[in-house]
Amino acid sequence: KAGVTQTPRYLIKTRGQQVTLSCSPISGHRSVSWYQQTPGQGLQFLFEYFSETQRNKGNFPGRFSGRQFSNSRSEMNVSTLELGDSALYLCASSKGQMNTEAFFGQGTRLTVV
Amino acid sequence: GESVGLHLPTLSVQEGDNSIINCAYSNSASDYFIWYKQESGKGPQFIIDIRSNMDKRQGQRVTVLLNKTVKHLSLQIAATQPGDSAVYFCAENPNQGGKLIFGQGTELSVKP
Repeated sequence: KAGVTQTPRYLIKTRGQQVTLSCSPISGHRSVSWYQQTPGQGLQFLFEYFSETQRNKGNFPGRFSGRQFSNSRSEMNVSTLELGDSALYLCASSKGQMNTEAFFGQGTRLTVV
Repeated sequence: GESVGLHLPTLSVQEGDNSIINCAYSNSASDYFIWYKQESGKGPQFIIDIRSNMDKRQGQRVTVLLNKTVKHLSLQIAATQPGDSAVYFCAENPNQGGKLIFGQGTELSVKP
């Protein structure tokens, strides 16, 4: 069974640009959550999508957005990139019911210069 | 401005010893908890979970203990091996779908 796949693994972008990251969940999983990991703030929840709808949202500015497709694949977008957006972006997939295991991908390392 | 990195608690143990990693969680409404292991350059790896109707759960070489009274979790690793060296995170589900709130992490170092 394939795990959670995130693409690309590494990205370098310039301030002001926008970026789109992709996450393919484990087959059969309907929930995809996104997290930002930085040395300063640790792992912080961005948002969760379930059945193509945003089910939960963290405390990030509107520049951070996402969506989920009918096959459960998800994308997140960051517009008007800032230096502080440099981070490891992780997605986690789960079946979506309450209290079920969430499995992470390897992450996308975004560097903003 | 300059960001200040989190000062991760560190635990250094001898190979073969048992390790205990502690975590305090924040939300009394949280009813599901997961321990993750993260190695350098990789995503967090699921280790073990526990629901709030339990106070102990055992896996292969790992045991999780939950004390809801004081909102405390611990992860015990038996016969720690060099391959166990990593950062360990506890995560709580505050009864909000798939949202997880992570602790700051503990860096485990195993000396051969």
